[in-house]
Amino acid sequence: DIQMTQSPSSLSASVGDRVTITCRASQSISSYLNWYQQKPGKAPKLLIYAASSLQSGVPSRFSGSGSGTDFTLTISSLQPEDFATYYCQQSYSTPPTFGQGTRLEIK
Amino acid sequence: QVQLVESGGGVVQPGRSLRLSCAASGFTFSSYGMHWVRQAPGKGLEWVAVISYDGSNKYYADSVKGRFTISRDNSKNTLYLQMNSLRAEDTAVYYCAKDFYYGSGSYPADAFDIWGQGTMVTVSS
Repeated sequence: DIQMTQSPSSLSASVGDRVTITCRASQSISSYLNWYQQKPGKAPKLLIYAASSLQSGVPSRFSGSGSGTDFTLTISSLQPEDFATYYCQQSYSTPPTFGQGTRLEIK
Repeated sequence: QVQLVESGGGVVQPGRSLRLSCAASGFTFSSYGMHWVRQAPGKGLEWVAVISYDGSNKYYADSVKGRFTISRDNSKNTLYLQMNSLRAEDTAVYYCAKDFYYGSGSYPADAFDIWGQGTMVTVSS
């Protein structure tokens, strides 16, 4: 199975900050990488697919980049509703696997 | 609106069985693959199983293979997960999720674009 490793595991930031979360795959996954946001007690929400494509309805302050083994999710200007846990997930091979999550907290 | 609603969770003893259901509405259920994804308390996300749009193909995580069975009834717009020989480590919130295929080649190239609210399964004596 492909292992996905996110960094950092947790992050404190302020409203208005620019934030970057990194995801690394244990082997090349081309651009088959998705990002999700999950708030406490809620289901995950798809933000980015195919490494850099913004899901419909997702604010443009979210962006994704990368290919091969290294990927990033960037939030250009944090809003109060963005404080949540973020997961990356590879869809290059079965089984799909997730990173361990990055918890984004208010500073 | 597009919606997935899970049901069937609860508390069950180790070794017993449970069947989860996921009712879909607002989209053409019979046109999409469907997944189950779980999340143990305080932990991350773990993919469990997928079924193709017509039920002809099914894949499972190694952790549930031989114990869980995914199925669907397109006439009822409903997805199922039959869970047998349950273990304490199966304790989790179980989500059903709609497949979103974005590729053009032989890779899975998919994401989970619609999720249910989740149903809690607790395996405990």
